[in-house]
Amino acid sequence: AQSVAQPEDQVNVAEGNPLTVKCTYSVSGNPYLFWYVQYPNRGLQFLLKYITGDNLVKGSYGFEAEFNKSQTSFHLKKPSALVSDSALYFCAVRPQGNKLTFGGGTRVLVKP
Amino acid sequence: EAQVTQNPRYLITVTGKKLTVTCSQNMNHEYMSWYRQDPGLGLRQIYYSMNVEVTDKGDVPEGYKVSRKEKRNFPLILESPSPNQTSLYFCASSARKQGVGTDTQYFGPGTRLTVL
Repeated sequence: AQSVAQPEDQVNVAEGNPLTVKCTYSVSGNPYLFWYVQYPNRGLQFLLKYITGDNLVKGSYGFEAEFNKSQTSFHLKKPSALVSDSALYFCAVRPQGNKLTFGGGTRVLVKP
Repeated sequence: EAQVTQNPRYLITVTGKKLTVTCSQNMNHEYMSWYRQDPGLGLRQIYYSMNVEVTDKGDVPEGYKVSRKEKRNFPLILESPSPNQTSLYFCASSARKQGVGTDTQYFGPGTRLTVL
């Protein structure tokens, strides 16, 4: 069975500092990996995805993520965090099929 | 504007009173899905639909029904709601690509349901 783990419930970072949100997954076969962001009182918005090819994926709002097959990880990163990046972030995995499985979410708080 | 819409956005009801949450998408997507979001549990899939008249259970289907009579609509029905169905519900849709499966999912704004 496929699963996604986001080990940190919350990440606190000062504005301007690098931001990392961790995600590890367990799935058979080659996964499709996604990051979504949820702002307060809003639905989930797509940030980026890894399907195949370059392990470093660039997405919206300056975010990027690195696919590491040996460590089964897909950590989300941003070089310089903004206060407006404060939100709930979800990692999701989709093996070769249709079912998307989400992690529990990580709340990011960027302090001025 | 490409979007997924849900109605109502907020609903407070009582145990046992049937309700329907509507979901509609204007992107001609084949795949649609319902999720519930609970603190610490992420999003869990309730039901999904690969196309018109094709639906299947997700991870937590008990107490819910769906139908897919038209491609754009995918209503979620709670025949006899109970307090444990108090949650935030999201509808999502995506295109399907041959040989790849479903692509990026687009989410509605959510429906916050409280069952007293």
